Amino acid sequence: KAGVTQTPRYLIKTRGQQVTLSCSPISGHRSVSWYQQTPGQGLQFLFEYFSETQRNKGNFPGRFSGRQFSNSRSEMNVSTLELGDSALYLCASSLEQTNTGELFFGEGSRLTVL
Amino acid sequence: DAKTTQPNSMESNEEEPVHLPCNHSTISGTDYIHWYRQLPSQGPEYVIHGLTSNVNNRMASLAIAEDRKSSTLILHRATLRDAAVYYCILRDPHAGNNRKLIWGLGTSLAVNP
Repeated sequence: KAGVTQTPRYLIKTRGQQVTLSCSPISGHRSVSWYQQTPGQGLQFLFEYFSETQRNKGNFPGRFSGRQFSNSRSEMNVSTLELGDSALYLCASSLEQTNTGELFFGEGSRLTVL
Repeated sequence: DAKTTQPNSMESNEEEPVHLPCNHSTISGTDYIHWYRQLPSQGPEYVIHGLTSNVNNRMASLAIAEDRKSSTLILHRATLRDAAVYYCILRDPHAGNNRKLIWGLGTSLAVNP
């Protein structure tokens, strides 16, 4: 069974640009959540989707957005990139609708903003 | 929003038990306590979770205080592969749309050979 796949694994952008990251969950999983990880702030929750609906949202500016498609694949977008957006972006999927299901993480997309 | 507090770092010797503490004094009655760990250059992986009773699985044991305001992840015999950052988080199955999941910095565990 394939795990959570995130693409691209690495990317470099410049300030002001936008970026789109993709996440393919484990087959059959309908819940996808996104996290930003930086050395100083640790793992911070961005948002969570279930059946194409955003269920939870973290404390990030509106430049961070996401969506989920009917096949459960998810994308997140960051517009007007800032240097502080440089981070590892992690995606996790889970099977259950409730918040107690085990989360399965991908290896992340490492974004560098110059 | 529920928050957990963990020591920044801990150290252990190989083949010795490790007790990783977590404080969650604002835990609600419906919060589950979850533990994940993140090995270098990988995404976090699930370790164990529980609600009120102590839990055991092949990876670890979870000891939950009677008042549920703290818990301890127990690795019975640490190996070099257990060197990772360990996260304690709270997840509520009844959380509404505005519930924010807080992970923090976790505890960085070093295992000495």
